[in-house]
Amino acid sequence: GAGVSQSPRYKVAKRGQDVALRCDPISGHVSLFWYQQALGQGPEFLTYFQNEAQLDKSGLPSDRFFAERPEGSVSTLKIQRTQQEDSAVYLCASSGDRGNTEAFFGQGTRLTVV
Amino acid sequence: AQSVTQPDIHITVSEGASLELRCNYSYGATPYLFWYVQSPGQGLQLLLKYFSGDTLVQGIKGFEAEFKRSQSSFNLRKPSVHWSDAAEYFCAVGLISNFGNEKLTFGTGTRLTIIP
Repeated sequence: GAGVSQSPRYKVAKRGQDVALRCDPISGHVSLFWYQQALGQGPEFLTYFQNEAQLDKSGLPSDRFFAERPEGSVSTLKIQRTQQEDSAVYLCASSGDRGNTEAFFGQGTRLTVV
Repeated sequence: AQSVTQPDIHITVSEGASLELRCNYSYGATPYLFWYVQSPGQGLQLLLKYFSGDTLVQGIKGFEAEFKRSQSSFNLRKPSVHWSDAAEYFCAVGLISNFGNEKLTFGTGTRLTIIP
């Protein structure tokens, strides 16, 4: 596709439910990032992949958050046993290299935990 | 730790008027600096970026920003706003992490409203 695609666009989960959020980066992009954007806040870094390797997961808020990118393209962010504080927009971004290149963002998945 | 401050939560400007959005950062060295725009329900779009060199940076949609090291600022400007500029604007600092990857630290954003 022409840009970064995320699905679903909206997800409502009951507290305690597991969710999986998908990101299709721009074809050929090596770097992939996940960010969490709470209501009224700027995005906050969660994790980074270079191809299939998860090199930085310092931003994941708890061990309930897990991300993977097994073949170096599509990535999935999984949240286990969702809590209300997990409600946010989850943004995925990709870039061509880990150098000084532009990161292209998807439209995000809005997760609401009820 | 690095931080980004956008002191204005909400700004209202008349169409055709000039605009300046403020951004201050805290970081020990010269960071990479970015401005992004986010329209409702949309992802973030890069307006411009500063890495080095000329401190006045030109971006898309007629925006520019000036890096001032002495003030730790990277303010965004536009000489004449259009109704389509109404959106949320985020300033960000890009740093190389201990793991070798670039990651962005964002400010809390400034919401821009345009009035006729």
